[in-house]
Amino acid sequence: DGGITQSPKYLFRKEGQNVTLSCEQNLNHDAMYWYRQDPGQGLRLIYYSQIVNDFQKGDIAEGYSVSREKKESFPLTVTSAQKNPTAFYLCASSPSLGTQYFGPGTRLLVL
Amino acid sequence: AQSVTQLGSHVSVSEGALVLLRCNYSSSVPPYLFWYVQYPNQGLQLLLKYTSAATLVKGINGFEAEFKKSETSFHLTKPSAHMSDAAEYFCAVSVGGGADGLTFGKGTHLIIQP
Repeated sequence: DGGITQSPKYLFRKEGQNVTLSCEQNLNHDAMYWYRQDPGQGLRLIYYSQIVNDFQKGDIAEGYSVSREKKESFPLTVTSAQKNPTAFYLCASSPSLGTQYFGPGTRLLVL
Repeated sequence: AQSVTQLGSHVSVSEGALVLLRCNYSSSVPPYLFWYVQYPNQGLQLLLKYTSAATLVKGINGFEAEFKKSETSFHLTKPSAHMSDAAEYFCAVSVGGGADGLTFGKGTHLIIQP
């Protein structure tokens, strides 16, 4: 089956800890995106990548980092510098200049 | 920069009644416009999109939206609501095909009354 997978479904972070959220796609899409969703806030863009080994900051990149070593994978690290990480994180991918398709999301909670 | 305003964080309609969810956008260049639906604790599913072709766009599950440039609007409608339509709906805008990401509205929670 083609699609976008995100893991884990739920993730718990201790204070001062870095955590990494996984996003994999087998749609052969060039572009990949990370969004953060908070209640009543809609989705906000964190980082995006249009090609392998290249990525750009979105509107709320502070406290996050990404890598794009493979076309299929775009992991997001939530660093200890992100003081309010509790949110629902959504990964998306798209062909060049195409519609974005979303994964099922990861809910990050702080212990 | 572009922006999206969704009027009404919650909309309640009776089963079988007309659904109307409002979306207004601002963009300095011709936009691409999208409606997505989200069920609890799930990702977003594309309902429909406008990409400068026909102004009346038909989507999945009986939804449609009309692009009105003069009103900078892209309202979502469905003639007859079904209980399964209860969900969160997001309007989004992009420029240049969306390669730089989408700008989302804050969402409208659709409640269906039996």
